[in-house]
Amino acid sequence: QLVLTQSPSASASLGASVKLTCSLSSGHRSNAIAWHQKQPEKGPRFLMKLNTDGSHNKGDGIPDRFSGSSSGAERYLTISSLQSEDEADYYCQTWGTGIRVFGGGSKLTVL
Amino acid sequence: QLQLQESGPGLVRPSETLSLTCTVSGGSISNSNYNWGWVRQPPVKGLEWIGSIYYTGTTYYNSSLKSRVSISLDTSKNHFSLRLSSVTAADTAVYYCARDDLLTGLIDYWGQGTLVTVSS
Repeated sequence: QLVLTQSPSASASLGASVKLTCSLSSGHRSNAIAWHQKQPEKGPRFLMKLNTDGSHNKGDGIPDRFSGSSSGAERYLTISSLQSEDEADYYCQTWGTGIRVFGGGSKLTVL
Repeated sequence: QLQLQESGPGLVRPSETLSLTCTVSGGSISNSNYNWGWVRQPPVKGLEWIGSIYYTGTTYYNSSLKSRVSISLDTSKNHFSLRLSSVTAADTAVYYCARDDLLTGLIDYWGQGTLVTVSS
């Protein structure tokens, strides 16, 4: 079964960096994923597509502060120089035959 | 710049059918490289994929909703639609339309979302 696992929450200080993790279930370690940002009262925003080898393609206007990396079944989103507007929920998403799947989301708090 | 905009009633009575439309501008839903779909977010919960449609009419649905969901498209109006039947309070959510890449299944554009409340 295709499942994406995310830690429910994370926190970091203003100006610091944070690394969020999305884990792919067994049998799907080679899947590419997408990272999406969901700010309160706004629609989700596509951040990037992240491949198994760590290469990534960002969406329109996504700052350089956002980057992605991969290791095995883990997919990471790193946000550097944290700003207050980065406080949001972050979701990873992938796909299987005829389905799309989201992780449970990670709530990022900027201290 | 591609834009997606949801429209439809914000209030639906229990047991009735929820109907929403997503109008696409800045691009064509007949583009063979993409699927067009729906995602929802119930209050204080995460994102849930509902289903997607390709311009040929081929559809993919979340198995948990498959018996109640129908997605269709109208290429002449460049929009696609969602119908969810026999709704209950559990279907109360913000509904988003989205585009995903045909080859990767990854969503790369979203609408702003519309809140649908199921209540009598």
